[in-house]
Amino acid sequence: DAKTTQPTSMDCAEGRAANLPCNHSTISGNEYVYWYRQIHSQGPQYIIHGLKNNETNEMASLIITEDRKSSTLILPHATLRDTAVYYCIVRGSGNTGKLIFGQGTTLQVKP
Amino acid sequence: EPEVTQTPSHQVTQMGQEVILRCVPISNHLYFYWYRQILGQKVEFLVSFYNNEISEKSEIFDDQFSVERPDGSNFTLKIRSTKLEDSAMYFCASIRDRDTGELFFGEGSRLTVL
Repeated sequence: DAKTTQPTSMDCAEGRAANLPCNHSTISGNEYVYWYRQIHSQGPQYIIHGLKNNETNEMASLIITEDRKSSTLILPHATLRDTAVYYCIVRGSGNTGKLIFGQGTTLQVKP
Repeated sequence: EPEVTQTPSHQVTQMGQEVILRCVPISNHLYFYWYRQILGQKVEFLVSFYNNEISEKSEIFDDQFSVERPDGSNFTLKIRSTKLEDSAMYFCASIRDRDTGELFFGEGSRLTVL
């Protein structure tokens, strides 16, 4: 599975959009981009995933560049409860389905 | 919404004791996983399980660890003789479609080895 690079930490003002970048320049054609978050020491929580098209759900939007080498997770109106570690993970098909977590981005939403 | 449930939420044990952590994955899921997270560190993959056998394991998952699906619902992680460094949060996860689906995680079991 391709490696990802994320900033270590970011701040965002409450009510504003949080844009979390991720680089995955070695991604291959059948690999999906997944985003998870972990609030304090709770279990990782699925947010969204995509292959090549932009995706949106009730939690967030995922923007994947045309060359698929990077992506951005957008939380449209961040709240204090969105303070968490956000993980960008690339996973291909044909493996055991496991996810490999990096260090992620610690997002601090401030009032 | 269906969820992965784990018990116990917290277990304290003495070094050298055996520990069993239990998980009930989502009912129609086919692939099961254990992860651990030592305090302040990243979430680490331990093992994946499918069709009643281990499909992949990490270097962490040595002979001290074993997994089992004793019945149609439970998925267990056993640590045979606990060490201080086994103190961590242990997360169970499950997925229906390993290629495109999302992994659902439980809330974790905190293991403290004294």
